[in-house]
Amino acid sequence: DTAVSQTPKYLVTQMGNDKSIKCEQNLGHDTMYWYKQDSKKFLKIMFSYNNKELIINETVPNRFSPKSPDKAHLNLHINSLELGDSAVYFCASRRLDEQYFGPGTRLTVT
Amino acid sequence: AQSVTQLDSQVPVFEEAPVELRCNYSSSVSVYLFWYVQYPNQGLQLLLKYLSGSTLVKGINGFEAEFNKSQTSFHLRKPSVHISDTAEYFCAVSDLRDSNYQLIWGAGTKLIIKP
Repeated sequence: DTAVSQTPKYLVTQMGNDKSIKCEQNLGHDTMYWYKQDSKKFLKIMFSYNNKELIINETVPNRFSPKSPDKAHLNLHINSLELGDSAVYFCASRRLDEQYFGPGTRLTVT
Repeated sequence: AQSVTQLDSQVPVFEEAPVELRCNYSSSVSVYLFWYVQYPNQGLQLLLKYLSGSTLVKGINGFEAEFNKSQTSFHLRKPSVHISDTAEYFCAVSDLRDSNYQLIWGAGTKLIIKP
């Protein structure tokens, strides 16, 4: 009965590869987010979707592309992975003023 | 633009001692204020929030925070910490005028409990 789930939990890949991270929420929320947390724990918002529509698109390289097939899912596709993409990526959903976070995906690019 | 400052990157404290984690925000416009906690290798979860009303807010696990508008602060406190409180704590702010409730995050404070 996990509220916000992400797959995979760990992702190790080489530079130049393309990878995807999937996120699903069963809370019925309309708004979902992707965050990046770096090694110093700094949290940065990347994207936000409301009812499958992109509403926040922070300064993120074009190599990152979110896709929302329905309002319960928000996936993140990353092309041409770089060393600097190594981080923990969190998906979250929102109801009113509260955000609910997934467990995170630790991406390591070698 | 709004910003959030968490003055301490790490706070070591002995078990059963009191603790205060400091948070200041930049703007005097009306805001919502939040504290989230991140336990090791987990996602963030809401600890407490201030939307309006009483300036003293109580949250989960015995934590509380006080909103001080004149000092633009929202410090988090607990009278007696346990080893299980070891975590990263994030302060966040949302502008009341932002219908998207976008959160501006502090850099986090690592609470280290010494036995």
